[in-house]
Amino acid sequence: QSVLTQPPSVSGAPGERVTISCTGSSSNIGANYRVHWYQHLPGAAPKLLIYDDFQRPSGVPDRFSASKSGTSASLAITGLQPEDEAHYYCQSHDKTLSVTVVFGGGTRLTVL
Amino acid sequence: EVQLVESGGGLVETGGSLRLSCSPSGFNFTTYTMIWARQAPGKGLEWVSSISGRGSYIFYADSVKGRFTISRDNARKSLYLQMNSLRAEDTAMYYCARVPPTSTCFDFWGQGTLVTVSS
Repeated sequence: QSVLTQPPSVSGAPGERVTISCTGSSSNIGANYRVHWYQHLPGAAPKLLIYDDFQRPSGVPDRFSASKSGTSASLAITGLQPEDEAHYYCQSHDKTLSVTVVFGGGTRLTVL
Repeated sequence: EVQLVESGGGLVETGGSLRLSCSPSGFNFTTYTMIWARQAPGKGLEWVSSISGRGSYIFYADSVKGRFTISRDNARKSLYLQMNSLRAEDTAMYYCARVPPTSTCFDFWGQGTLVTVSS
């Protein structure tokens, strides 16, 4: 069981918009720890997609955006493209005694 | 260009040991906190351990505490993960990644090195 909860899968047709939720608690996202998002293609290195809740690294298209509210965060992808098919992970920190870095369980995005 | 290259993975028996290495290039290694993370087959990403730039601060996930040791040699520009008392559940792709100074994200990752623990 991951500390941050993501839907196992989402799907959308090319050109559509999809969102991926990341639900935490008062000891992580709700404690105002920053949320980051990664894209992971099979056999490749994970890639930073969004950092510090909503910031995009240079080179990441503005089709990718993110937001945070309360104990949850959300990644949105607009204008879906076939190359967006990947696993997406949220990541934050947790102030529980024995845990520091936490990842969501990951969401598999399928482009129909 | 920032690059991180992991090595040292392989097949090891339960209870055995393995030492992973991560070779960085393209940035001032000494000034960056580094981490190890892993992904078991069919599972998601899991943070394993972090070490600050000068090695003063070290943290471990509960799942590896007491068995794994993270270290770094800034003179040799290398990051290490010594893994002892390996278990089947340690089977995973292991990644090293960099933590930028002004954030808690992991901005660059290596391609990973595969560790398989068999009984």
